[in-house]
Amino acid sequence: ELKVEQNPLFLSMQEGKNYTIYCNYSTTSDRLYWYRQDPGKSLESLFVLLSNGAVKQEGRLMASLDTKARLSTLHITAAVHDLSATYFCAVDRGSQGNLIFGKGTKLSVKP
Amino acid sequence: GAGVSQSPSNKVTEKGKDVELRCDPISGHTALYWYRQSLGQGLEFLIYFQGNSAPDKSGLPSDRFSAERTGGSVSTLTIQRTQQEDSAVYLCASRVIASGTDTQYFGPGTRLTVL
Repeated sequence: ELKVEQNPLFLSMQEGKNYTIYCNYSTTSDRLYWYRQDPGKSLESLFVLLSNGAVKQEGRLMASLDTKARLSTLHITAAVHDLSATYFCAVDRGSQGNLIFGKGTKLSVKP
Repeated sequence: GAGVSQSPSNKVTEKGKDVELRCDPISGHTALYWYRQSLGQGLEFLIYFQGNSAPDKSGLPSDRFSAERTGGSVSTLTIQRTQQEDSAVYLCASRVIASGTDTQYFGPGTRLTVL
């Protein structure tokens, strides 16, 4: 059974600091997705990582994928309050897009 | 362009009633997914449609749940004899695969409350 584990589940940061969210998964997959969810809102696609070693960056967020270690990271650089949200990673169960999600990391950035 | 739309946005029903939830995917997206999100279970895959192929129903939690997709576009998720544990946000997503990317776009969801 494919399992996706994120840590930490809760993260309180100060503005300007850096931090990394980790996403581990239990079986082979070469497709990993990061989503953002604001309270009461739906999921917004952030990154799609489709191969080992893939790295993508958008603003203060950078995501990477190591398929051999079954690990993806979401790195936050110089956090700002607008980044406060819940971040989910998800793995494609079998290349058909049936995503298995982690439990999410609730990020709170405080001034 | 229009994104994925879902209706209703909120639905309150009594235990034992049937409900229908609707999803309009992004035009041209051949793949459509239903997920649900609840506090206890997180985000769970329910069912997947791809073109005219038989749907992948492996995520449906019981035979009270069913879904159809008409004309390769609009999809309806039906829950019969609703139970309180069915209370959740039901999310629909449609998928595009293009060079260098593979993205599921989620709709705003239907919040179902079973009293």
